Amino acid sequence: GENVEQHPSTLSVQEGDSAVIKCTYSDSASNYFPWYKQELGKGPQLIIDIRSNVGEKKDQRIAVTLNKTAKHFSLHITETQPEDSAVYFCAASKNDYKLSFGAGTTVTVRA
Amino acid sequence: NAGVMQNPRHLVRRRGQEARLRCSPVKGHSHVYWYRQLPEEGLKFMVYLQKENIIDESGMPKERFSAEFPKEGPSILRIQQVVRGDSAAYFCASSFRQTTSTDTQYFGPGTRLTVL
Repeated sequence: GENVEQHPSTLSVQEGDSAVIKCTYSDSASNYFPWYKQELGKGPQLIIDIRSNVGEKKDQRIAVTLNKTAKHFSLHITETQPEDSAVYFCAASKNDYKLSFGAGTTVTVRA
Repeated sequence: NAGVMQNPRHLVRRRGQEARLRCSPVKGHSHVYWYRQLPEEGLKFMVYLQKENIIDESGMPKERFSAEFPKEGPSILRIQQVVRGDSAAYFCASSFRQTTSTDTQYFGPGTRLTVL
């Protein structure tokens, strides 16, 4: 099955700086890559996703890049704010329903 | 607009008891997915259901676990004879799935199961 690895496991950044989280996947047939944000005690919330026919996607302060050849994708958060503090999960899917998640990155934005 | 609803939010059971977790999808969604999250880990797929049908249960343990999504009412994840290793957060997600090109999954707040 699909194996998704996520790094780093924890990330501390100064408010206003950028945060980058990287994921690799094993199954070259995967074609859908969503990113979820999970706050304490809550369920994961989709923040951005990308499909394999696109190399980059941006939504305000959040961007995702995909390198299909290397089988890795990254989340970039610019101008970080305290409310960006949460656990972020990457995921991959090749059939649009069975999401394989990374282990998560705990992001702390220091004021 | 109500999102995915799960209840109970917290459930405590003793070893050997049964646990029933309920999930009401987003209104209009007919596709439901269950995931399990162990502490410090990512979510693991368990099962995918449509109304009255199990589509993919490849992530479900072979014994003690079952799921249903009846024509009327919420989806139910049932765990019989719970053991300590079943302690986890169980998340339900739903999607509209009109086409195969877009299938965003919306997650509920989860049920945190503790087995004593």
